[in-house]
Parts: sequence; C-alpha cells; structure tokens
Amino acid sequence: DTGVSQDPRHKITKRGQNVTFRCDPISEHNRLYWYRQTLGQGPEFLTYFQNEAQLEKSRLLSDRFSAERPKGSFSTLEIQRTEQGDSAMYLCASSLNNYGYTFGSGTRLTVV
Amino acid sequence: GENVEQHPSTLSVQEGDSAVIKCTYSDSASNYFPWYKQELGKRPQLIIDIRSNVGEKKDQRIAVTLNKTAKHFSLHITETQPEDSAVYFCAALGKLIFGQGTTLQVKP
Repeated sequence: DTGVSQDPRHKITKRGQNVTFRCDPISEHNRLYWYRQTLGQGPEFLTYFQNEAQLEKSRLLSDRFSAERPKGSFSTLEIQRTEQGDSAMYLCASSLNNYGYTFGSGTRLTVV
Repeated sequence: GENVEQHPSTLSVQEGDSAVIKCTYSDSASNYFPWYKQELGKRPQLIIDIRSNVGEKKDQRIAVTLNKTAKHFSLHITETQPEDSAVYFCAALGKLIFGQGTTLQVKP
C-alpha cells in the first residue's frame, strides 16, 4: 500500500458534462475525506465518510455533487452538469479515526 | 460555525531567521492540530502535528505549541532555509478544517 491514490490526475471537460473521480484510501483507514482547493486557498472541506456512511456534507456541496463509498473502501465523487466555477484541485484524504491523515495527489479539474 | 483562522497570509524572512505562523480555532472540542506544507502543484504534506493532551512538540527545526484555553496553536520554524519556502496550512477539528494558508518565502 503506497498511500492514497486518486484517479485521474487531470481531467478537462466541457461545461455541462458530468465527471467522476475516484479515490482509493490507505487500506486500513476507516475515514475518507474530500476537499476542493483553488489557487491560493486552503483545502475546503466537502464531505467525509466513516466506513461506508457519509457523515457530513459541507454547504459548499451543491446538489450537482454526490459522493459515495459503497463498500467502505474506495470512494467516488461525481459532479453533474459541470460549471467553470467547478475548476479546482479535488483532494482526497484518509485516516484511521483521528490518526494518520494522508492526502492523495489530487485530481485537477478544468472546465472549459 | 466551525472556523480556523491563520495569520499571517504571507511571511518573508532571511535565511537563518525564525518564522512563526499562528492559527486560532472555534470548536473547543478539537483535539488534533496538524500543520501541512504544500509546494506548488503538489499535495499537502504533514510536517508536524499535536494532540490536545500536550502543549508543545518539537521535531528538529520545527515545533508546534498549543494553548487550548485560548484556542490557538502556532508553528515555529528555526534556522530557516530556502527549501522551507512553501505554503503552510494549519488545520483543526475532527474532519480537518484548514486555515487560509501562509506563503513563506525564505530569502538566501
């Protein structure tokens, strides 16, 4: 296990299209987090899971965003009807309860 | 609401000087306080963290102090080097709310 993996690393999409990102956490980690980061800003919390349960969603997460972690392992983040304002780095992180928070390399989304 | 404030937003020091970055948080239930370093285009990397049962932690040139009563914690970097130049983020709370970041520039 080499850490948190995110796929794809880069995604360019046309406005209005749907996109889906995947995150594979560290295998023994029970918590998984999604963040969004734009240039010059800190990561903004979007949502997090404990095992397969989605425990919290930020107000930043509009109805166009949905996240799943069906088996308590990998997670997907889908954005429907993308807008230019969705362009950002989407970061995933995982932890074992409150220990070992580790980030993935992120998926950079560009909406054109 | 849940909030983490970080200051300053930019910090420029001369090589060899010390740098201090401060954060305050809102939720008194927070018990974990990490600091991350992020270089351009890369993921945030954990550099040091502290839990609420201790007041200070040190790792070589980096130290973190925590004042739970005042709800603030600080990152201290001594003997700064040019490779310390990056953006530093503090975070707090169980799901990690991040500060706004501090861009540190160490001038040779």
